[in-house]
Amino acid sequence: SAVISQKPSRDICQRGTSLTIQCQVDSQVTMMFWYRQQPGQSLTLIATANQGSEATYESGFVIDKFPISRPNLTFSTLTVSNMSPEDSSIYLCSVGTTSGTDTQYFGPGTRLTVL
Amino acid sequence: QKEVEQDPGPLSVPEGAIVSLNCTYSNSAFQYFMWYRQYSRKGPELLMYTYSSGNKEDGRFTAQVDKSSKYISLFIRDSQPSDSATYLCAMRQAGTALIFGKGTTLSVSS
Repeated sequence: SAVISQKPSRDICQRGTSLTIQCQVDSQVTMMFWYRQQPGQSLTLIATANQGSEATYESGFVIDKFPISRPNLTFSTLTVSNMSPEDSSIYLCSVGTTSGTDTQYFGPGTRLTVL
Repeated sequence: QKEVEQDPGPLSVPEGAIVSLNCTYSNSAFQYFMWYRQYSRKGPELLMYTYSSGNKEDGRFTAQVDKSSKYISLFIRDSQPSDSATYLCAMRQAGTALIFGKGTTLSVSS
């Protein structure tokens, strides 16, 4: 299984500011995803981070609010822009594998609180 | 109708009990079925993976997929207090990201 790290692990931010979350994987992976988990809720897919091209966003999520970079096969960032208290959530990086099991693994998450 | 339905619980059982967790889904194109365990303030941890229909066993855990009924289950035998967590079912089609259920919170008391 892939080992995934995220930075920061948590942060408290002011309304109107932006936060960039980093995701690092210990091996090259084809598919990387960003999810949001709001308090008491399940995981919602924000976007698929594509290496060398723009991310693919799910309905309800837009690039201006959640710009994503993926410069190589082991690293991605998600920025939460112009934050409001409604953005308070856990943001999770996930990677997919096609090593026969075709599963997804998750990072530890970034717990964001917006005041 | 949501794509994946899961009863959020909470579910409370005594130590040693058999636990049954279930999800239903509406998209017949789903082929990959997974169960994740999430402890408080941690990321989801892959517990079981099943491709298409059938059963899979791993220690005290058994995952079942019934594609004809669009129904998946996770059984935990001899449950332990350390099994107390939220259990998330997830599934997807080939080449797409996972769709998750809401998660069932399980508490096992000693």
